[in-house]
Amino acid sequence: SQQGEEDPQALSIQEGENATMNCSYKTSINNLQWYRQNSGRGLVHLILIRSNEREKHSGRLRVTLDTSKKSSSLLITASRAADTASYFCATDRTGNQFYFGTGTSLTVIP
Amino acid sequence: DTAVSQTPKYLVTQMGNDKSIKCEQNLGHDTMYWYKQDSKKFLKIMFSYNNKELIINETVPNRFSPKSPDKAHLNLHINSLELGDSAVYFCASSQVRTSYEQYFGPGTRLTVT
Repeated sequence: SQQGEEDPQALSIQEGENATMNCSYKTSINNLQWYRQNSGRGLVHLILIRSNEREKHSGRLRVTLDTSKKSSSLLITASRAADTASYFCATDRTGNQFYFGTGTSLTVIP
Repeated sequence: DTAVSQTPKYLVTQMGNDKSIKCEQNLGHDTMYWYKQDSKKFLKIMFSYNNKELIINETVPNRFSPKSPDKAHLNLHINSLELGDSAVYFCASSQVRTSYEQYFGPGTRLTVT
């Protein structure tokens, strides 16, 4: 299977703490993306990291990619209640076929 | 303006029926997608389509067929609906090879009874 697998499945933290989610995949990729899904909504793109990049930042988000281990991590710093959502990684090999996992459900407690 | 829209938002129907879900994007993207999200939140790609190429996930039953009347629309037609088709279906679009970022619609919750 080419799908990504997120870990942990669920994460609960206090507001202000950092949240780290991991993604593992099995095939070579062109890029890896992270998405957020609020309950009952569609997915929203957060950040993309290309296969030749190792780390990327966007606001309170930090993504790392280790292609040798076929893994990525998403760090959300100084979490807020509004960060409560499911987070998915998506791997892309060809530019038009994206493979998602089951996501990490993050709960940020005010 | 809604970037990617889907209709209907909810669809309840009986087994054996044929139904369609419509999707429109106003972003000028060249590629559109259909995904199925099951009750465990697993999101599976079903199709990707641009005006040149349709890529079908081999695990998708041939009861499912995408239909694209033009570049801004990709509808999903489902024949002979089964209980296992109950899920949330998402349409998405992207401008491949320049961005890869996908924009998702709000989803259509299909319930087959």
